[in-house]
Amino acid sequence: KAGVTQTPRYLIKTRGQQVTLSCSPISGHRSVSWYQQTPGQGLQFLFEYFSETQRNKGNFPGRFSGRQFSNSRSEMNVSTLELGDSALYLCASSLGTGTNNSPLHFGNGTRLTVT
Amino acid sequence: AQTVTQSQPEMSVQEAETVTLSCTYDTSESDYYLFWYKQPPSRQMILVIRQEAYKQQNATENRFSVNFQKAAKSFSLKISDSQLGDAAMYFCAYIGSARQLTFGSGTQLTVLP
Repeated sequence: KAGVTQTPRYLIKTRGQQVTLSCSPISGHRSVSWYQQTPGQGLQFLFEYFSETQRNKGNFPGRFSGRQFSNSRSEMNVSTLELGDSALYLCASSLGTGTNNSPLHFGNGTRLTVT
Repeated sequence: AQTVTQSQPEMSVQEAETVTLSCTYDTSESDYYLFWYKQPPSRQMILVIRQEAYKQQNATENRFSVNFQKAAKSFSLKISDSQLGDAAMYFCAYIGSARQLTFGSGTQLTVLP
């Protein structure tokens, strides 16, 4: 069974631009979560989608948004990029919403660099 | 809000020996889950082991085991017979009613040949 696939693996953008990251979950998984990883702030929760609905959101500005499609694939969008948005963005999928009974399986991440 | 603390930024262990990584957490909840994830240079977060708070028995997965002390809010990871492939960043993580993982700052484990 294929794992969580994130595209692209690397991305370089300029301040003020917008970016869209993609995540394909493991087949059969309906929940997708996004995390931001930076050296300064560590791993921080962005949001979680389940059956095309946002179920949970972390403490990030409205510039960060996401969506989930009927096939459970998810996209994350960041508008008006700032230098501080440079990070590794990790996507994770699980069978159910939350991870109480179904652990998260992570992708390899997208490394975003904002110049 | 829940917090997870890993007080050891770096640890090293000789191949074939045993190492213990520390983790403490703070929560007022009684029902939650704890995890250890490893992140090798490939960047993928890999689940190592998980523990349900309501279970008193410590979880074990092959060479990996935990020492879960609920009253002390401590959740350490023991790696036995360390292998070169165990070298990675290890993260302790918590999830409770908020249904979002809270991670510690990580411990970089080096395995010496």
